[in-house]
Amino acid sequence: AQSVAQPEDQVNVAEGNPLTVKCTYSVSGNPYLFWYVQYPNRGLQFLLKYITGDNLVKGSYGFEAEFNKSQTSFHLKKPSALVSDSALYFCAVRDFTNAGKSTFGDGTTLTVKP
Amino acid sequence: EAGVTQFPSHSVIEKGQTVTLRCDPISGHDNLYWYRRVMGKEIKFLLHFVKESKQDESGMPNNRFLAERTGGTYSTLKVQPAELEDSGVYFCASSQPGLILGGELFFGEGSRLTVL
Repeated sequence: AQSVAQPEDQVNVAEGNPLTVKCTYSVSGNPYLFWYVQYPNRGLQFLLKYITGDNLVKGSYGFEAEFNKSQTSFHLKKPSALVSDSALYFCAVRDFTNAGKSTFGDGTTLTVKP
Repeated sequence: EAGVTQFPSHSVIEKGQTVTLRCDPISGHDNLYWYRRVMGKEIKFLLHFVKESKQDESGMPNNRFLAERTGGTYSTLKVQPAELEDSGVYFCASSQPGLILGGELFFGEGSRLTVL
């Protein structure tokens, strides 16, 4: 069975500071990892994904994520946070054993204060 | 290009009543998924269509839930009869054909269901 853990319900950072939103996963095979963001009263929007290749993945709005196989982690990062980055962030995973099914974490609320 | 659209955005019904949620995926997206988020918890998989066929319905909670995708276009999710625990936000998502594993999901804004 596949699973995702987002250990922090809430992350608070000051504008201009770096941010990290944590995600760890468990799958049977090779993972396909995704980050999505949800702004208030909107649907989830795709940010970035890791399929294969370079462990550092760059995505939308200046976000990046690092795939770490030994630690089974896929943390979301941004060097300098903006107030407009405040939103709900979801990590998701798929593998070959559950080809069509993405498993999501509980979500992490990011608040960036001016 | 139009995104994934869902209707209604919010539905309030009494326990025992029926509700039908509709999803129109992005044109050309063969893969259509239904997910549900209850009480601020994780987003849980309900089922996956490939065109008009149910590929995986392992997440459907019970036989009160019925999903259809007529002609491989829009999809409906009917809850009959609704129970209190069915309250939550129902998300529909679609993805491009041929990218079941590596394709990102395009989500609608969700249908919030409140059962009183």
